[in-house]
Amino acid sequence: GQSLEQPSEVTAVEGAIVQINCTYQTSGFYGLSWYQQHDGGAPTFLSYNALDGLEETGRFSSFLSRSDSYGYLLLQELQMKDSASYFCATRENAGNMLTFGGGTRLMVKP
Amino acid sequence: DGGITQSPKYLFRKEGQNVTLSCEQNLNHDAMYWYRQDPGQGLRLIYYSQIVNDFQKGDIAEGYSVSREKKESFPLTVTSAQKNPTAFYLCASSMGVTSRQPQHFGDGTRLSIL
Repeated sequence: GQSLEQPSEVTAVEGAIVQINCTYQTSGFYGLSWYQQHDGGAPTFLSYNALDGLEETGRFSSFLSRSDSYGYLLLQELQMKDSASYFCATRENAGNMLTFGGGTRLMVKP
Repeated sequence: DGGITQSPKYLFRKEGQNVTLSCEQNLNHDAMYWYRQDPGQGLRLIYYSQIVNDFQKGDIAEGYSVSREKKESFPLTVTSAQKNPTAFYLCASSMGVTSRQPQHFGDGTRLSIL
């Protein structure tokens, strides 16, 4: 089985940088994904890390340390539209079935 | 435009009634998934399908059933055996179950008990 832990809520101001952490316990590990979900909406894919290190996509970056069973999502130059829930998800095997964390609600304030 | 369409957006179920949620995709994806999301929670996998006429149970399959007669369609039936069906249901698809390709989600169906 798998379990993932992330903070339930994070607050930051517009223009700032925020880091959302995710720790996981899995019987197998093939990668860590991040998804964004606005209230009542569809989750959308942000990033995927299969190997240790940092992946950068515009204002968003994602980091993975497999030895620490830990990853994070870094959001830079925060905008009001970044207010949403962010979910980390792991792949336990070579298949594409995902196990999701409980989500972190990010509130961006002016 | 390619995408995933879920219908209806809102659905109400009476006691003892089965209801079916529709999910259609025109992305030519092989794999499709159904998730349940409760308020303030993450997504939990109900069923997934890798190919037409094949599907597998996820973590919370009890009280649900699915079919995959066409590549484009993966309907979910919430049966009367599911005693707590009130939730947000999300359908997703990806190019393959053995792929690291991202999952693409529909806009969801919100199911409530009358």
